[in-house]
Amino acid sequence: DAMVIQNPRYQVTQFGKPVTLSCSQTLNHNVMYWYQQKSSQAPKLLFHYYDKDFNNEADTPDNFQSRRPNTSFCFLDIRSPGLGDAAMYLCATRAGGALNTIYFGEGSWLTVV
Amino acid sequence: AQSVTQLGSHVSVSEGALVLLRCNYSSSVPPYLFWYVQYPNQGLQLLLKYTSAATLVKGINDFEAEFKKSETSFHLTKPSAHMSDAAEYFCAVSEGPGNTGKLIFGQGTTLQVKP
Repeated sequence: DAMVIQNPRYQVTQFGKPVTLSCSQTLNHNVMYWYQQKSSQAPKLLFHYYDKDFNNEADTPDNFQSRRPNTSFCFLDIRSPGLGDAAMYLCATRAGGALNTIYFGEGSWLTVV
Repeated sequence: AQSVTQLGSHVSVSEGALVLLRCNYSSSVPPYLFWYVQYPNQGLQLLLKYTSAATLVKGINDFEAEFKKSETSFHLTKPSAHMSDAAEYFCAVSEGPGNTGKLIFGQGTTLQVKP
């Protein structure tokens, strides 16, 4: 059974129309990550949560926001999607220590039209 | 700052042949190193990881990798390629024993397996 679940798997949004991607986990992990992966590129970390502590990467645009209402759920909000934001967005989780395995969801493909 | 370089964006092998995917890292502290596989339209799956224990690491599906500090390398190998191994492979380095453990990925290598 999937342990990191992302919804929707495929999302089409209009230029400038806000969109929210969701991630849920059944692992009770305290660390959750959001990565952006553009076509034929490596995943790039946007931000992560350690419990409720939010950590934004220095080069993550302000257009990207995140919410984590509880341990199990994390949301990625894109306030005004541009054509350059079309990508796959990967959610991942990890239990506490840095040696522990990071588990990835299947990803959410975002298309901006 | 830590970084990872994967040599060769595309590697093609015949079914049954040796697979060798190259990865070199840069790190000012002892690194944690990982190999992930990504099938089309899917997330990343961990193949194996090095966390300063044995330098030869065995992973799933007969993959293994050897950490060589003198060469700053962590190349991935598999003795005999299978058609199902065709995928994108990412080498990654972790920032180390801090709390975040965030991964910094290489650019990826596409493995093609020919019948």
